[in-house]
Amino acid sequence: GAVVSQHPSWVICKSGTSVKIECRSLDFQATTMFWYRQFPKQSLMLMATSNEGSKATYEQGVEKDKFLINHASLTLSTLTVTSAHPEDSSFYICSANRQGRAFFGQGTRLTVV
Amino acid sequence: SQQGEEDPQALSIQEGENATMNCSYKTSINNLQWYRQNSGRGLVHLILIRSNEREKHSGRLRVTLDTSKKSSSLLITASRAADTASYFCATDGRSNTGKLIFGQGTTLQVKP
Repeated sequence: GAVVSQHPSWVICKSGTSVKIECRSLDFQATTMFWYRQFPKQSLMLMATSNEGSKATYEQGVEKDKFLINHASLTLSTLTVTSAHPEDSSFYICSANRQGRAFFGQGTRLTVV
Repeated sequence: SQQGEEDPQALSIQEGENATMNCSYKTSINNLQWYRQNSGRGLVHLILIRSNEREKHSGRLRVTLDTSKKSSSLLITASRAADTASYFCATDGRSNTGKLIFGQGTTLQVKP
């Protein structure tokens, strides 16, 4: 089956710093990838749609200047959490679509201290 | 809210019993999927049911779909302690892009 790799699996950063999370489709090309966020004991909420070669589409309430998304190639999308604060601590997970089905990365647990 | 609802929010059963979780959604769909998530981990895809299907089986899993009521159920038969996890339904909202809308989830605890 299709494989999506997400890195890092966990990261701890200091408040005010930026963190980059990578999402790669290993054996297929993905023109569209999705970024979700999950707070403890809650469900996954779509943050944004990452489009290869163009600007990402953000869901309502998600700050585009805080969560920078770059989809520079057909196999890589990155999410950068800028000026992270403790309230950004969450589980971030990406997905890529192949033939109508979503394949998920392993997720990244971000802790901002 | 973009999300549908699932009930119950939490379910605790004994090993060997069956577990049933329900999901309701809001929009028309092409398909509905169920995922499992162990605590703090990624998602495991369990089963996909298409909008023109009413029931689907996979091992100990049985999924039903009622598009007229915009609802689905997941039945896990003969549960095991290893089934302890959170279960989410997800719909595609008639999109073929892979974008998913997740339900609130059901946390299942199976006691040995």
